Amino acid sequence: GAVVSQHPSRVICKSGTSVKIECRSLDFQATTMFWYRQFPKQSLMLMATSNEGSKATYEQGVEKDKFLINHASLTLSTLTVTSAHPEDSSFYICSASDVNEKLFFGSGTQLSVL
Amino acid sequence: SQKIEQNSEALNIQEGKTATLTCNYTNYSPAYLQWYRQDPGRGPVFLLLIRENEKEKRKERLKVTFDTTLKQSLFHITASQPADSATYLCALGTGRRALTFGSGTRLQVQP
Repeated sequence: GAVVSQHPSRVICKSGTSVKIECRSLDFQATTMFWYRQFPKQSLMLMATSNEGSKATYEQGVEKDKFLINHASLTLSTLTVTSAHPEDSSFYICSASDVNEKLFFGSGTQLSVL
Repeated sequence: SQKIEQNSEALNIQEGKTATLTCNYTNYSPAYLQWYRQDPGRGPVFLLLIRENEKEKRKERLKVTFDTTLKQSLFHITASQPADSATYLCALGTGRRALTFGSGTRLQVQP
């Protein structure tokens, strides 16, 4: 199956700093990527849909100025958590879909904000 | 309101038995339904997709059923093994390209 690479896998940062998470599709072109957030023992919550060459579409309640998404190429989307606070601590996962509607997920990024 | 419900309690079964996990949904009309496996600290891994016009799908030891009248999908793992221990997520495809996920059921297979 398709491979989606996500980095870093874990990041610890101080409150007020910004953190960038990268998501790459390694063996296919992904015009659309999705960013999810997951709290312990809870469902994956869709944050935004990232479209190559255009602005991301954010879900209701997700602050676009807080979670900056850039999808500059067909193989790379980035999520930047700006001015991170402890409540932003979570597991962030990116995914991309193939033509058959299956989602391929990155390995996730555990963000801990001190 | 729209809901996807999976058993929040862990399912503990003995090795060799069949595990059956349930996914119920309300106020959705999914075009398809998917099942994923998620290990701790990892992203989900796709297992099976079943469309609204399909009743059953099989892949090796896995079987999925989809009843659009009951609004329910059942996920079976036959001859379960300790390596099958993980959290299993169901997800609905509703026409948007993004999926909507249930909260998952943790399966523990005892040797």
